[in-house]
Amino acid sequence: DQQVKQNSPSLSVQEGRISILNCDYTNSMFDYFLWYKKYPAEGPTFLISISSIKDKNEDGRFTVFLNKSAKHLSLHIVPSQPGDSAVYFCAASSQGGSEKLVFGKGTKLTVNP
Amino acid sequence: DVKVTQSSRYLVKRTGEKVFLECVQDMDHENMFWYRQDPGLGLRLIYFSYDVKMKEKGDIPEGYSVSREKKERFSLILESASTNQTSMYLCASRPTGHRAKNIQYFGAGTRLSVL
Repeated sequence: DQQVKQNSPSLSVQEGRISILNCDYTNSMFDYFLWYKKYPAEGPTFLISISSIKDKNEDGRFTVFLNKSAKHLSLHIVPSQPGDSAVYFCAASSQGGSEKLVFGKGTKLTVNP
Repeated sequence: DVKVTQSSRYLVKRTGEKVFLECVQDMDHENMFWYRQDPGLGLRLIYFSYDVKMKEKGDIPEGYSVSREKKERFSLILESASTNQTSMYLCASRPTGHRAKNIQYFGAGTRLSVL
C-alpha cells in the first residue's frame, strides 16, 4: 500500500505562473516531509523540507505547505521558470523510527517559456 | 558539500552476469541506501545500511545483495542479472541524528541495462 501518493504524474505551467505540486500521505506517524527535484540522468537533489510542527516553510521561490489534518502537503513554485522543469518527488519519514524515507512516485513538471 | 560518487554512469551487462555497483561518500555518514528508479514507480528502496557491516532489507531486496566493509563505501550486487533489473540505480547517504533532518544526499545514478 502506498504511504506517500503523488496523484498527478505530470503538470504543465507557463513561465512566470505558479506551479502547485501535491502530495498525500496515509501514515500518521510521519512527522518530517521533504521535496526532491530530479533532472534526467542525474540524482535527486534536496529542495525543501517541513517538520510536522510547522504548517509552512519558505525558501526563495519555493514554499511547502503542510495540512496535518488532511495528511496533505503541497509545493508552490512562484514564479515558475523553465529551469524548474524536472521530476519532483515528495518524501516522508518518522522521527525516532528508521532512517528511511518513503517516496512518492513523482510529478513531472514542465514549465513552458 | 556532500559528495556521493557512483562508480559508473552507464553499464551494459548480459543476463546471468554478476554485477557490482559501487558507491562512495566523503562525509563520514553512517547511513547509506540503494534505490532503483523506474518510470511511474518512483524511488524504491532496495537495501540500506546503518553502519559498517550492517544491512537491512528495503522494499524490493529480491535478486540483490549488498556489502558495507568500510564506512564510506556501499556496494550493490546483482548475483545473476536479469532483464527486469534494467533500471536507474541511485545511491544515497545521510548522517545519523536529528540535526540531519532526514535529508539524504544522492549520487548521480547508474543507468544499468541488462541484455
